[in-house]
Amino acid sequence: NAGVTQTPKFQVLKTGQSMTLQCAQDMNHNSMYWYRQDPGMGLRLIYYSASEGTTDKGEVPNGYNVSRLNKREFSLRLESAAPSQTSVYFCASSETGVETQYFGPGTRLLVL
Amino acid sequence: DQQVKQNSPSLSVQEGRISILNCDYTNSMFDYFLWYKKYPAEGPTFLISISSIKDKNEDGRFTVFLNKSAKHLSLHIVPSQPGDSAVYFCAARPGSARQLTFGSGTQLTVLP
Repeated sequence: NAGVTQTPKFQVLKTGQSMTLQCAQDMNHNSMYWYRQDPGMGLRLIYYSASEGTTDKGEVPNGYNVSRLNKREFSLRLESAAPSQTSVYFCASSETGVETQYFGPGTRLLVL
Repeated sequence: DQQVKQNSPSLSVQEGRISILNCDYTNSMFDYFLWYKKYPAEGPTFLISISSIKDKNEDGRFTVFLNKSAKHLSLHIVPSQPGDSAVYFCAARPGSARQLTFGSGTQLTVLP
């Protein structure tokens, strides 16, 4: 039982490049989330998916797109990376109606 | 406008003593509160939670207190152990919404 897994662990991009961050969970959770963590800012919600086939914007969605590929997988795409997107990205999942979210280990992204 | 605030970026405590971490919120719609613990290079892990219908919840060495009139919650760790050294985030959820709003975190250091 791996819980929530994220790939890659670390990535360096140049401004304007694109990439997709992958997330998968094996807990059969309906809801999945993408957060970013910046120094002094805590975790801020980028997008979430309440169930397979649905996605909604969170607090800071600009510059990102998401895909809920199936119940297990939820990917985050940066179409044209900017230095302001340098951050640590966390994926999380939870059961429907349960507030506790389970987090992956994170992806450190550096945009030059 | 931070709806969940952790005003102390850091806290140092001697091993065996009590650690008290504080969190204030402004949104009166928040009705469920959680504490997460985060070690370096790992994702946050759920620690303890409390519903707004309660004013205290205890789990082993960890107790969360909620003062709704003051819009304040605190996490007490007794006795503190060096392994408790981590960043602690408080989070809150409004009503039936699925999203969590996180504070900026407090770095707890327990000195041996």
